[in-house]
Amino acid sequence: AQSVSQHNHHVILSEAASLELGCNYSYGGTVNLFWYVQYPGQHLQLLLKYFSGDPLVKGIKGFEAEFIKSKFSFNLRKPSVQWSDTAEYFCAVNPSSNTGKLIFGQGTTLQVKP
Amino acid sequence: KAGVTQTPRYLIKTRGQQVTLSCSPISGHRSVSWYQQTPGQGLQFLFEYFSETQRNKGNFPGRFSGRQFSNSRSEMNVSTLELGDSALYLCASSLSAGVKETQYFGPGTRLLVL
Repeated sequence: AQSVSQHNHHVILSEAASLELGCNYSYGGTVNLFWYVQYPGQHLQLLLKYFSGDPLVKGIKGFEAEFIKSKFSFNLRKPSVQWSDTAEYFCAVNPSSNTGKLIFGQGTTLQVKP
Repeated sequence: KAGVTQTPRYLIKTRGQQVTLSCSPISGHRSVSWYQQTPGQGLQFLFEYFSETQRNKGNFPGRFSGRQFSNSRSEMNVSTLELGDSALYLCASSLSAGVKETQYFGPGTRLLVL
């Protein structure tokens, strides 16, 4: 079955630390990849997406992600986190054979200490 | 442009009752998807509608159903509620149902079943 795995369930960082959240998926075909963020009390918002082309994609608020096809990975990075980045982060995959259906990872809760 | 709106935002029901949740997509968006979010199972796909037709369905029992109207608004219905149906129900809309579409999420309806 298609699945998405986020290895880090809870991450605690100090402000200015670098962030990398892992995401791996199990699907052999073409995929579209997303990272969504859910700030406390707010709805899911799109951080960035990858459809094709340059495997390094940049999103909002200084986030970026790299698609490594050989590793079935789409890791999220930020060089320097801020307290306002405290949120839950979800990796999602849309296998091209299933239009509209997003398969989500379990989410990673990021806590940034001021 | 207004985002995805969902009504009601909060709902308390008792076991055995049924419930109807409503979703209004972003203006111009014709595809609507529904997801269930729980602490244990995370975000799970329920179904997807485009042009009043269900295009995709997740692995949920038949008690979960939905429909889409000609103005793209969508409703989902859960009959014979069970305690385990307590969850945040999220609606997402996209311009169309293509594989390279981005889904934008609403704030959700939080359902509590007693």
